[in-house]
Amino acid sequence: GESVGLHLPTLSVQEGDNSIINCAYSNSASDYFIWYKQESGKGPQFIIDIRSNMDKRQGQRVTVLLNKTVKHLSLQIAATQPGDSAVYFCAESFSGGYNKLIFGAGTRLAVHP
Amino acid sequence: DTAVSQTPKYLVTQMGNDKSIKCEQNLGHDTMYWYKQDSKKFLKIMFSYNNKELIINETVPNRFSPKSPDKAHLNLHINSLELGDSAVYFCASSQEGTGPMEQFFGPGTRLTVL
Repeated sequence: GESVGLHLPTLSVQEGDNSIINCAYSNSASDYFIWYKQESGKGPQFIIDIRSNMDKRQGQRVTVLLNKTVKHLSLQIAATQPGDSAVYFCAESFSGGYNKLIFGAGTRLAVHP
Repeated sequence: DTAVSQTPKYLVTQMGNDKSIKCEQNLGHDTMYWYKQDSKKFLKIMFSYNNKELIINETVPNRFSPKSPDKAHLNLHINSLELGDSAVYFCASSQEGTGPMEQFFGPGTRLTVL
């Protein structure tokens, strides 16, 4: 959903641990989901995407899981590194929606050595 | 060989002024977008153009006017700037496909209205 708070939720992890960032989406008609990483002072950078005909997709060190029943999306990062520290956004879209992306509020990932 | 570029990177101006932000993409994409990111990091789409035609126009004050001279460029002109317009503005582009497609974002323009 489009919740906005004073501070971004933060996930703190130790270097080398696995990270899981969760996202709830709002539109049951959404059929495309995407994760972006935004480092300080930069634009959002594509990480991985998934369409609604799949429930899992893997990339390099990242996995996205989609649970359409509860409208939940998660991003798993294996062996988290300091360079993974950033704000992570999930976004949803649907076919016929002119590729309009609806972004979630974002989660800050802080990786500690 | 920047994919999506924006100018300027920073823009500081007085209330009431008119300003423009330029965006160019060299990816050969058909669709371009403008997003606004507020101080709480919330990203929201403002406009989208496909082959120079406006296809998404969210509830944005008509002081904001996008202009697409060709499909590689999408500029944003803002009239009578207000304090609440202070934000980071991102341009993005995507290829047209049979469904939603990945959007590539520019580095952003931080607009500060004093």
